[in-house]
Amino acid sequence: RKEVEQDPGPFNVPEGATVAFNCTYSNSASQSFFWYRQDCRKEPKLLMSVYSSGNEDGRFTAQLNRASQYISLLIRDSKLSDSATYLCVVNRMDSSYKLIFGSGTRLLVRP
Amino acid sequence: EAGVAQSPRYKIIEKRQSVAFWCNPISGHATLYWYQQILGQGPKLLIQFQNNGVVDDSQLPKDRFSAERLKGVDSTLKIQPAKLEDSAVYLCASSLDLAGWQYFGPGTRLTVL
Repeated sequence: RKEVEQDPGPFNVPEGATVAFNCTYSNSASQSFFWYRQDCRKEPKLLMSVYSSGNEDGRFTAQLNRASQYISLLIRDSKLSDSATYLCVVNRMDSSYKLIFGSGTRLLVRP
Repeated sequence: EAGVAQSPRYKIIEKRQSVAFWCNPISGHATLYWYQQILGQGPKLLIQFQNNGVVDDSQLPKDRFSAERLKGVDSTLKIQPAKLEDSAVYLCASSLDLAGWQYFGPGTRLTVL
């Protein structure tokens, strides 16, 4: 079983739609959580951190449920430019902080 | 501010050949990471340096992969000899310190024939 699991998609939605991605993690020692965005043939870029209290950045809302070991990302009013792969990432401490990436969920926003 | 630099951007080699990748982190970043990203998967950490010391290389296939960061700035990752399954994008990332946010370079796309 992978340490971070995501639905690979693709999610194919029209412009203006609301779309939600989910992610589960198996290691309860995970300490911090992020969503990264990766465009085709580009490097991953940090989208936002995820907190138990929930956090919002414009059209993006991220939520963490530690009890269920579940992370979500909600995108409202989807734009064509939101088309990308969204990577769920957890940060845990072994000998050092280590980022563990999910395989990503692909989003396609159509006109 | 300049980002993480990597070269080459693309490399095609035949199996059993050797290859080396270079990374220059963001100025002042003490921590440097090498990741392997196979098509359809998320990045997987290969090795992590703090200055010129190795912090974590538990997932580095040490029979064929090696990496160094001799002066605590630039780093090289080498594969010798390459296998078909090494075809992937090799991403370098850096952070201010061990707990800092990681910033990724553009990657080197390796194809092994």
